[in-house]
Amino acid sequence: EDKVVQSPLSLVVHEGDTVTLNCSYEVTNFRSLLWYKQEKKAPTFLFMLTSSGIEKKSGRLSSILDKKELFSILNITATQTGDSAVYLCAVGRSYGGSQGNLIFGKGTKLSVKP
Amino acid sequence: NAGVTQTPKFRILKIGQSMTLQCTQDMNHNYMYWYRQDPGMGLKLIYYSVGAGITDKGEVPNGYNVSRSTTEDFPLRLELAAPSQTSVYFCASGRQGFITGELFFGEGSRLTVL
Repeated sequence: EDKVVQSPLSLVVHEGDTVTLNCSYEVTNFRSLLWYKQEKKAPTFLFMLTSSGIEKKSGRLSSILDKKELFSILNITATQTGDSAVYLCAVGRSYGGSQGNLIFGKGTKLSVKP
Repeated sequence: NAGVTQTPKFRILKIGQSMTLQCTQDMNHNYMYWYRQDPGMGLKLIYYSVGAGITDKGEVPNGYNVSRSTTEDFPLRLELAAPSQTSVYFCASGRQGFITGELFFGEGSRLTVL
């Protein structure tokens, strides 16, 4: 059965700390791995990764994929209270052509305290 | 630019009632999806559509129906509501399909079945 496992499930840090969120997967016909940030409402897109070893960066956030070991990490440096959210990892699985599915992990709840 | 708009935001149903969750996007995306999110769980795909007139089942389609008569609209119908359908429902759309591109999510519809 396809699965996406995120760890830790929750994390409490103080402003300025650096955090690493983990996502491991076992998915057949892998196509992509995506990270989303979910605050109160809708998930918002952070990164999409398709190739191993290529880091994606956006400000204080960065992510990398290891397709051999089947995992990805999301790093957040110099955390701020506005980083408090649930971070979702999703893996795209192809059924062929345009058919497929995103399989989501349960998320990591990050709380950043002042 | 409105993006993905869902209505209603909240609804309480009695067991056995039916209702339709509305979803509209103004980005001219071909791909649209309905997910449900239960507490502490990842998002699960209910139905998806790759274009007007084309729909297909996701992981958890039982008890739901969809239609896609236009590019913009993708309503989700709940027939004979059951307590197991208590959840937060998210509609999403994408330009390239979820396996190769980012999804844009609506703000969610919280449904309670009593």
